[in-house]
Amino acid sequence: AQKITQTQPGMFVQEKEAVTLDCTYDTSDPSYGLFWYKQPSSGEMIFLIYQGSYDQQNATEGRYSLNFQKARKSANLVISASQLGDSAMYFCAMRPPNFGNEKLTFGTGTRLTIIP
Amino acid sequence: KAGVTQTPRYLIKTRGQQVTLSCSPISGHRSVSWYQQTPGQGLQFLFEYFSETQRNKGNFPGRFSGRQFSNSRSEMNVSTLELGDSALYLCASSREVGGYTFGSGTRLTVV
Repeated sequence: AQKITQTQPGMFVQEKEAVTLDCTYDTSDPSYGLFWYKQPSSGEMIFLIYQGSYDQQNATEGRYSLNFQKARKSANLVISASQLGDSAMYFCAMRPPNFGNEKLTFGTGTRLTIIP
Repeated sequence: KAGVTQTPRYLIKTRGQQVTLSCSPISGHRSVSWYQQTPGQGLQFLFEYFSETQRNKGNFPGRFSGRQFSNSRSEMNVSTLELGDSALYLCASSREVGGYTFGSGTRLTVV
């Protein structure tokens, strides 16, 4: 079974500072995918970044980067130069390796608040 | 390109009633998954459809059901509604291999 743990229920960060959101995972599968989603108060889940378990380099997407440490089973999201619009819930999620098993396992999320 | 469309956005139903939610995936996406989000249980997987067949199912009672049509649009149905069914229901579509795109969700309130 796959499990995602996000230990930070809430974070307050000053605008323009960098922020790291923690995510650890547990799986016995050698192949898996890791995702980060942002959920503003409107409810929509917005895809941010993806890391495959066999990817050699950490994924980056604009201001988002994923600090992937496979041996420690962690996949932390780093947001550089935070903006007020970054205030939202952030979810880490894992996908199993098998094609045909389209089920994401989510963590409990971190509520990020950016302070002006 | 158009995203994932969920209708309606909001619903208020009475206990014991049934409800049907709709999800139109991104064109070309054949997989549609449904998730329930509540403050207490977080995001939980309901089921996934691919080419009109249910391929995966989460741990929910039989009151929760779904289907997928030939155009990949999907519906989920909840019968005999309970107060605990109040939640945000999210639909996600994906290609055979790739990321998931979520809709804005349907917020169901059972009174």
